[in-house]
Amino acid sequence: NAGVTQTPKFRILKIGQSMTLQCTQDMNHNYMYWYRQDPGMGLKLIYYSVGAGITDKGEVPNGYNVSRSTTEDFPLRLELAAPSQTSVYFCASSYGEGRGNEQFFGPGTRLTVL
Amino acid sequence: SQKIEQNSEALNIQEGKTATLTCNYTNYSPAYLQWYRQDPGRGPVFLLLIRENEKEKRKERLKVTFDTTLKQSLFHITASQPADSATYLCARDSGNTPLVFGKGTRLSVIA
Repeated sequence: NAGVTQTPKFRILKIGQSMTLQCTQDMNHNYMYWYRQDPGMGLKLIYYSVGAGITDKGEVPNGYNVSRSTTEDFPLRLELAAPSQTSVYFCASSYGEGRGNEQFFGPGTRLTVL
Repeated sequence: SQKIEQNSEALNIQEGKTATLTCNYTNYSPAYLQWYRQDPGRGPVFLLLIRENEKEKRKERLKVTFDTTLKQSLFHITASQPADSATYLCARDSGNTPLVFGKGTRLSVIA
């Protein structure tokens, strides 16, 4: 099992550009999550999905969009990049939502917006 | 809102000593508390969890406690080693909502 994979590992964007961060898991997990992590600020939930076709906003959804057309994939879209979106982005998945279900994280994407 | 706080940003200890990290929560007790380890440049990795009705849980050199009176979980690493140096995150697991993570405590074990 590859677990949770994310691409790209690094990216530099100019203000106003768009990009999609890819996330794939091969554990057949229903639940998937996108977090951003800023220095000293912990993990903040952007969006999550409880299954294919179902997504919901987390704590910091503004400036982002997601889709979930398959169980395996959960891409995160940035439409108009802003310097405030400079961060490290982590995708995660879990078998269930909470209730003792651990989350499995990808290696992260480091994004810089200049 | 249901908060989770790790009051220490950083903790330095000598090799061989026991490291103790603190996680405090507000309002009602979560059903579980989960603990993760994060190495620089990597995603968090799950270590162990403790249920609300458990006072203590152990896994090798790790021990977690859950005190609903103090609204606190303590995470202990006994006989600490330099390889234990990492950031440790606690997460509030209320059972039917996404996890809420603390900011983490960066542990440095000095040889």
